[in-house]
Amino acid sequence: EVQLVESGGDLVQPGRSLRLSCAASGFMFDDSAMHWVRQAPGKGLEWVAGISWDSHFIAYADSVRGRFTISRDNAKNFLFLEMNSLRAEDTALYYCVKDFGELVVSCYFDSWGQGTLVTVSS
Amino acid sequence: QSALTQPPSASGSPGQSVTISCTGTTTDVGDYDYVSWYQQHPGKAPKLIIYEVNKRPSGVPDRFSGSKSGNTASLTVSGLQAEDEADYYCNSYAGTNNWGLFGGGTKLTVL
Repeated sequence: EVQLVESGGDLVQPGRSLRLSCAASGFMFDDSAMHWVRQAPGKGLEWVAGISWDSHFIAYADSVRGRFTISRDNAKNFLFLEMNSLRAEDTALYYCVKDFGELVVSCYFDSWGQGTLVTVSS
Repeated sequence: QSALTQPPSASGSPGQSVTISCTGTTTDVGDYDYVSWYQQHPGKAPKLIIYEVNKRPSGVPDRFSGSKSGNTASLTVSGLQAEDEADYYCNSYAGTNNWGLFGGGTKLTVL
């Protein structure tokens, strides 16, 4: 069974940094692209960033490009999101999401964690 | 890039069919067949129900179907059941710098 467990969410002040982690199990992590998707309270979904299985291909939403960095550790089955220069509008539940494809980036999101809450406020 | 456009709400009675639209542009929905749909119940994580415009992952009932015409994709739920009441989101690939443009979501109510 696919399991994705996020951690690292917290209350932080604007301008500060935060690192999210996602522990993955139950599937071939090093064959799967991964993504971060966020959902502001009471709002819709927003894709944040994605990374291919081998870290060769990485992409970011316009809203976070230059501030956030996605990375992965295939030896330990972990996905990360480094978030810098945080803003109030980054407040959201951040989901770790497995890509549907194997050794391809399908851009379909087929398994989701339960999310970790990031709140940016002074 | 702007989010895809979905109606904020839709409704139908049990047994009826309802269709939810998702309108994009020539740089996302209109340019790629990488359209997917997600179902989200309150307090739960989203679930993939349609990918590649009209394919269903294993375990998703065939009451859910997808289609696309031009810049607009659609999700049809046939034979509505109470458990179909949820929020539905469309998503489209939008190029090498945007792997996942979501719609604003549609709240489906089963009357």
